[in-house]
Amino acid sequence: EDKVVQSPLSLVVHEGDTVTLNCSYEVTNFRSLLWYKQEKKAPTFLFMLTSSGIEKKSGRLSSILDKKELFSILNITATQTGDSAVYLCAVSLYNTDKLIFGTGTRLQVFP
Amino acid sequence: ETGVTQSPTHLIKTRGQQVTLRCSSQSGHNTVSWYQQALGQGPQFIFQYYREEENGRGNFPPRFSGLQFPNYSSELNVNALELDDSALYLCASRTGTVNTGELFFGEGSRLTVL
Repeated sequence: EDKVVQSPLSLVVHEGDTVTLNCSYEVTNFRSLLWYKQEKKAPTFLFMLTSSGIEKKSGRLSSILDKKELFSILNITATQTGDSAVYLCAVSLYNTDKLIFGTGTRLQVFP
Repeated sequence: ETGVTQSPTHLIKTRGQQVTLRCSSQSGHNTVSWYQQALGQGPQFIFQYYREEENGRGNFPPRFSGLQFPNYSSELNVNALELDDSALYLCASRTGTVNTGELFFGEGSRLTVL
């Protein structure tokens, strides 16, 4: 059965800390891995990764994919209180529009 | 702002009732999918519609059904509600036939079944 596992489930840090969120997957017909940020309701798109070893960056956020070891990490440097959210990892497959989500990592950043 | 709007935002039903949730996508978004997100869980794929036809379904029973309309709106219908149907229901849409994985999500409809 296809699955996506995220760790840790929850993380509490202070502003300015750097955090690393992990996502591992076991799926057939892997197409891409996506990261979403969910603050209240609607998940908002962060990154899509399709190739191993190529880092994607957006401001203080960056992510990389390892297709051999079947995992991805999301790094957030110099965290701010506005980074507090649930971060969802999802995998898309060929021949279907279905995304398979992990349970998410809840990040809380305190001043 | 994703351009995907859902209604209602919150609703409460009792077991055995039926519910219809609505989604309005951006013009040109001819693919819409619905997800169920239980508390503390990631979204689970219910089904997908492309050009008004269902073309993919997750592990949900037939009492979960949907419709997609030519004006880029869609509906999720759930019959014979059960307590476990309490969740946030998310609608997501995109353009085109090629799945790039990037979906635009609505704010969701939070359903509580008592």
